[in-house]
Amino acid sequence: DAGITQSPRYKITETGRQVTLMCHQTWSHSYMFWYRQDLGHGLRLIYYSAAADITDKGEVPDGYVVSRSKTENFPLTLESATRSQTSVYFCASRGTSGITSEQYFGPGTRLTVT
Amino acid sequence: DQQVKQNSPSLSVQEGRISILNCDYTNSMFDYFLWYKKYPAEGPTFLISISSIKDKNEDGRFTVFLNKSAKHLSLHIVPSQPGDSAVYFCAATFGTASKLTFGTGTRLQVTL
Repeated sequence: DAGITQSPRYKITETGRQVTLMCHQTWSHSYMFWYRQDLGHGLRLIYYSAAADITDKGEVPDGYVVSRSKTENFPLTLESATRSQTSVYFCASRGTSGITSEQYFGPGTRLTVT
Repeated sequence: DQQVKQNSPSLSVQEGRISILNCDYTNSMFDYFLWYKKYPAEGPTFLISISSIKDKNEDGRFTVFLNKSAKHLSLHIVPSQPGDSAVYFCAATFGTASKLTFGTGTRLQVTL
């Protein structure tokens, strides 16, 4: 399917476990982003990537790791999950046609850390 | 420090009336603003944007107004429809930066 997909859509994990959220886009967009959505905070940027092998921290990167070996994939790993990482996670992508290029979001992954 | 603020967590409007959603920002470097709409269990979708060189941008029922001196923008929906019921996020960026800074969102409910 064309577009941007995330997997899994729902995940329950225990404190201290490692968990990886997957993001895949079929547009060959250069930029990819990870956000978390929490009540009262809106969407906050965790990490982003301008191209394969280029990543940078966003507003709330602590406790997360990203990689981007292929343009189309941008996995987000929680190395040792904590309850404060319970959230809805959104992946997004955009092209390079200037600042006016809006970001396209995936459907989200709801993560619960018990 | 919340650089983009949406001070109204929720808004209820009757069908056919105007919906006005507000957004304030503190970073004077921001020069491009976007509105996103989000339905439950879906990702946000782009709605409309405006550059700081303009004070108004219109797309069908949706109009965004920008007041740079007040660091304020607003989204007008006329006429409001039940399908407009969603959470609306304001976002801002600047220069060649690709990052967006989002507000906390406003939940709009359009009643019959």
